[in-house]
Amino acid sequence: GDSVTQMEGPVTLSEEAFLTINCTYTATGYPSLFWYVQYPGEGLQLLLKATKADDKGSNKGFEATYRKETTSFHLEKGSVQVSDSAVYFCAPRANNLFFGTGTRLTVIP
Amino acid sequence: NAGVTQTPKFRILKIGQSMTLQCTQDMNHNYMYWYRQDPGMGLKLIYYSVGAGITDKGEVPNGYNVSRSTTEDFPLRLELAAPSQTSVYFCASSLATGDLRNEQFFGPGTRLTVL
Repeated sequence: GDSVTQMEGPVTLSEEAFLTINCTYTATGYPSLFWYVQYPGEGLQLLLKATKADDKGSNKGFEATYRKETTSFHLEKGSVQVSDSAVYFCAPRANNLFFGTGTRLTVIP
Repeated sequence: NAGVTQTPKFRILKIGQSMTLQCTQDMNHNYMYWYRQDPGMGLKLIYYSVGAGITDKGEVPNGYNVSRSTTEDFPLRLELAAPSQTSVYFCASSLATGDLRNEQFFGPGTRLTVL
């Protein structure tokens, strides 16, 4: 069945550090790939997406590239800020959307 | 646009009680979804609807019921609350799911505790 494996947290980084959150998936067909972010006390918001192989999604300094050959969609940011502290979910969409367990990121000044 | 709204924000139930979680969207989306998020876990799909009058089970439907009488509203019903239903519940909506590129828009969530 469809599944997603996401890097376990929590992750704690200093401000301006480089961030990588790994995500790999198995899915039938050709899924679209999404990263959602959940800030404290809020619902999920779309961070970025990619809909075909080699597409790069980007938003707010975050990037992720759709790697079909490795079925991966790793999230990266070159320089994190305190305001990036949140939980990040990798979510492929084959038929319905399915979610990873989430990675909690804390950025300290 | 208010987007996706959910009520209540918080609720405590006793075992065996029933309640309805309300969800409304004003984006004229055909598709609506209910998820639950357990601590430290990702979201699990409970039920979804592809349009008024049409609903279908997701991954974890047991103990829940839904209805979709209008495009805007998609209430989730718990008939006999159990401690295992303690969770945060999110409602979401999207345009036609036939296009996998369409994102889902989420409400702020309802935190439910069953004691």
